[in-house]
Amino acid sequence: QVHLQQWGTGLLKPWETLSLTCAVYGGSFSGYYWSWVRQSPGKGLEWIGEISHIRGIHYNPSLKGRVNISEDTSKNQFSLKVNSLTAADTAVYFCARGEYVNGLSMDVWGRGTTVIVSS
Amino acid sequence: QSVLTQPPSVSAAPRQKVTISCSGSSSNIGNNYVSWYQQYPGASPKLLIYDSNKRPSGIPDRFSASQSGTSATLGITGLQTGDEADYYCGTWDGGLNAFVFGTGTKVTVL
Repeated sequence: QVHLQQWGTGLLKPWETLSLTCAVYGGSFSGYYWSWVRQSPGKGLEWIGEISHIRGIHYNPSLKGRVNISEDTSKNQFSLKVNSLTAADTAVYFCARGEYVNGLSMDVWGRGTTVIVSS
Repeated sequence: QSVLTQPPSVSAAPRQKVTISCSGSSSNIGNNYVSWYQQYPGASPKLLIYDSNKRPSGIPDRFSASQSGTSATLGITGLQTGDEADYYCGTWDGGLNAFVFGTGTKVTVL
C-alpha cells in the first residue's frame, strides 16, 4: 500500500521561502505525476504543480515564478519550494500522487502540512 | 479563482439522492476526463471517481458520475450522515497546462 509522508517548516515570515518534502513509501516512483496541492483556510483546493518522468514539470500559472518542484529519485522523494511568501500563502499543503489512466487523477494523498506566513 | 464551477452547497434527507454539477469549458472538461474528491474537515481529499465514471476499489456504488460536453455530475444515492463532506471535481486544463479543481460543494444531510 502506497503512502506519502510529508514534512517541512510550518511557521514562516513574509518574503521567506517555504520548503516541503514528500516521501513515497510502498510503491514505485516512476510512472506517476507527483503533485502539490494547497488549501487556504476555509477555501477550496488549489493545484500548485507536478513533476514526472513522463512530461516533466508543470506549474499553476498563478504561482509561476515563485514555485520550484524537484525530485530525488534515489530517495523516492519530491520537494516544493515557494519563495517571496505573503500571508496569502498561508494554507495546508498536500502532496499527492497523480495517476494517468485515460485522464489524470490524484489517488494517494499525504496528510497535509500547515504553513502559516506571519510577521 | 477556479475555472470549474460547482454549487456551494446541496442538501437532502437521509436515504435520498443529491447531485453535484461541475461546469467547465472546452479547454478542460470538454477534452479531458473528470475526477471527483471527497474531503472531510481537517482531512486530506480522497479520490471518489476517476476517468469520469470509474470508482476506485472500496468506493461504494452509491457514488456515481457522468460527463457530457463541458459539464460533469456526481451523484450520491442512499444519502448517509457519513456523506456530509466537501466534494471537488478536477481535471486537466489544456489551455492553462495545469490541473484545475472545482470551487467545491458542501453536502449536508438534513
